[in-house]
Amino acid sequence: AQTVTQSQPEMSVQEAETVTLSCTYDTSESNYYLFWYKQPPSRQMILVIRQEAYKQQNATENRFSVNFQKAAKSFSLKISDSQLGDTAMYFCAFMSDTGANSKLTFGKGITLSVRP
Amino acid sequence: EAGVAQSPRYKIIEKRQSVAFWCNPISGHATLYWYQQILGQGPKLLIQFQNNGVVDDSQLPKDRFSAERLKGVDSTLKIQPAKLEDSAVYLCASSLNGRGMYEQYFGPGTRLTVT
Repeated sequence: AQTVTQSQPEMSVQEAETVTLSCTYDTSESNYYLFWYKQPPSRQMILVIRQEAYKQQNATENRFSVNFQKAAKSFSLKISDSQLGDTAMYFCAFMSDTGANSKLTFGKGITLSVRP
Repeated sequence: EAGVAQSPRYKIIEKRQSVAFWCNPISGHATLYWYQQILGQGPKLLIQFQNNGVVDDSQLPKDRFSAERLKGVDSTLKIQPAKLEDSAVYLCASSLNGRGMYEQYFGPGTRLTVT
């Protein structure tokens, strides 16, 4: 069974600065996807960024980028130029690439607060 | 494009009562998911449908939870009878296909409080 661990329950960052959120996972699969989801207060969850395990290049989406270390089973999210709207819970998630029946396994999440 | 719709948004019931949640996925999405998110934790998959067939219900407490997806579109999740530990947000999500390359889109959730 796959597990996803987010060991930092809370983080805080000053507006315009950079913050890194950590995530580790455990799996015996070789092909899989990793995700970071954002859940703002009282709002619905949205996908921030996705990484395919077979790709060596780290995924980037505007101010969001990941550091994917496959051997270490580490998948951190870097948010550059933090904005007040980045305040939310962030969840790291794993999905094996075994077909249409694959399911998302989420970590416990981290609460990120961006200070003005 | 309309997103995933869920209702009700909030529900308060007493233990041993029954409750039902409704989800309307994004049009054309074959895969529908129900998740349970307990406060302070990440979502946990309860059941996954591909069209109107169940592909994973391994974490659904089948003695009290049931779900169906009529005609491969809308879905309902029912709890009967509810327990205090069922207090959570119930999230519905949909995707074009169950593969990881296809994004899962989440609804706003239904917050259930069992007293």
